[in-house]
Amino acid sequence: DIVMTQSPDSLAVSLGERATINCKSSQSVLYISNNKNYLAWYQQKPGQPPKLLIYWASTRESGVPDRFSGSGSGTDFTLTISSLQAEDVAVYYCQQYYTTTYSFGQGTKLEIK
Amino acid sequence: QAHLVESGGGVVQPGGSLRLSCAASGFSFSSNGIHWVRQAPGKGLEWVAFILFDGRNEYYTNSVKGRFTISRDNSKNMLYLQMISLRPADTAIYYCAKDANSKGAFDIWGQGTMVTVSS
Repeated sequence: DIVMTQSPDSLAVSLGERATINCKSSQSVLYISNNKNYLAWYQQKPGQPPKLLIYWASTRESGVPDRFSGSGSGTDFTLTISSLQAEDVAVYYCQQYYTTTYSFGQGTKLEIK
Repeated sequence: QAHLVESGGGVVQPGGSLRLSCAASGFSFSSNGIHWVRQAPGKGLEWVAFILFDGRNEYYTNSVKGRFTISRDNSKNMLYLQMISLRPADTAIYYCAKDANSKGAFDIWGQGTMVTVSS
């Protein structure tokens, strides 16, 4: 099974500053035949279900603000929030869907400094 | 607008059984695979099971194989999770989530239903 490891576990960033969350997979999630990384990012606010932010590692879901961006390929990925807003306080999860034993990272808790 | 609503959660003793349901609306249910994902109190997300759009294939995480069964009724736009031999470690919020065919990821989530396994 593919193990997803996020860093850091928690992060405090000042309003308007950049936040960066990393995700590493235990094996590549890049499917060579279509050159797509089977990697998604989700945001979960307290008491709410997760919300899809990014899929194919870098494609923003409809309605997601453009301050959210995803990058990386193979085994190393990054979620960046370019200018942190108060409403971005949440836990963020990466997820691989390369195999049908889907797996999530342990989550990164993002707070305001 | 696509919508998923879970039901059937509750408190059950260890070794007991429970059947969760997920009602879908606002999208072509029979065209999409659907997942169950759970979240233990204060913990992260754990994928549990997946069923293809036509119900012909099912996939499970190792810890629930042989105990949980995912199924669907496309005529009723319903998804189910039959759980037997429940353990305290199964205590969690259970979410159903739509597999977005063209995106690969899970694009629509329900609000979840809580399952507590305790004596």
